[in-house]
Amino acid sequence: GAVVSQHPSRVICKSGTSVKIECRSLDFQATTMFWYRQFPKQSLMLMATSNEGSKATYEQGVEKDKFLINHASLTLSTLTVTSAHPEDSSFYICSASWDSYEQYFGPGTRLTVT
Amino acid sequence: KNEVEQSPQNLTAQEGEFITINCSYSVGISALHWLQQHPGGGIVSLFMLSSGKKKHGRLIATINIQEKHSSLHITASHPRDSAVYICAVFIIQGAQKLVFGQGTRLTINP
Repeated sequence: GAVVSQHPSRVICKSGTSVKIECRSLDFQATTMFWYRQFPKQSLMLMATSNEGSKATYEQGVEKDKFLINHASLTLSTLTVTSAHPEDSSFYICSASWDSYEQYFGPGTRLTVT
Repeated sequence: KNEVEQSPQNLTAQEGEFITINCSYSVGISALHWLQQHPGGGIVSLFMLSSGKKKHGRLIATINIQEKHSSLHITASHPRDSAVYICAVFIIQGAQKLVFGQGTRLTINP
C-alpha cells in the first residue's frame, strides 16, 4: 500500500512557541491531505483538508490562524501549531489521498506542550 | 447520537477465538473504512468497502448498505491483533470527509 510519513514522531515544546509537523506521501502524489487530531481515549477529529496549491478548508471550531497548513507540493503538507499551549497537546495524524476516498494515514506526531 | 456507532467499545478474548466488531451509521455514505490503531498510535487502513464483503488473510469485512451496518471479523485471533479498531465512513452530503467511530479496543490474551 501507499506510504505516508510524518516528522517528527514526537515533539515537546514550551508554551508560546511554534511547532511544525510535516506529512509526506512517499510513493504517490497526494492531491488532498487531511489533518486530524486525537485526544486520549477519543476518536480522530478532522481539523482541516488541504488541496495542493490552494488554501486549506478548516473544520468548524479549528482556528486557521493557530493551525497553519501549507500544501505546497503533491507530496508534502505541513501543519504549524503557532503559539502552542498545553491544551494543544495531542496526537496529530495526517492522511494523504489522490481521490479523497482512499486515505493513507501517517504514523502520527505526539505533541506535548509544557 | 454519533453518526457512527461501534460496538462493543471494549472486547477481551482468548487467542484463537472468532472476533466480531460492529459498526452502524446513520448518514448516507459512499464508502466505509476499517482502520487499525496500535498502542503507538499509528493507523493502518485495513479495508475500504462500498458494498459486499472483502477478505484479507484472517480479516473479513462486510457491509450492508440498506441496513447501514458493517462488521469486521477476525478469525483465529492472535495477541498481535490487539489494537483499537476504528470504523470510519465517507459521508456523501456536504463536504466529503471521513467521520470516525469511537473505536473498539480489542485485547487478545494468549
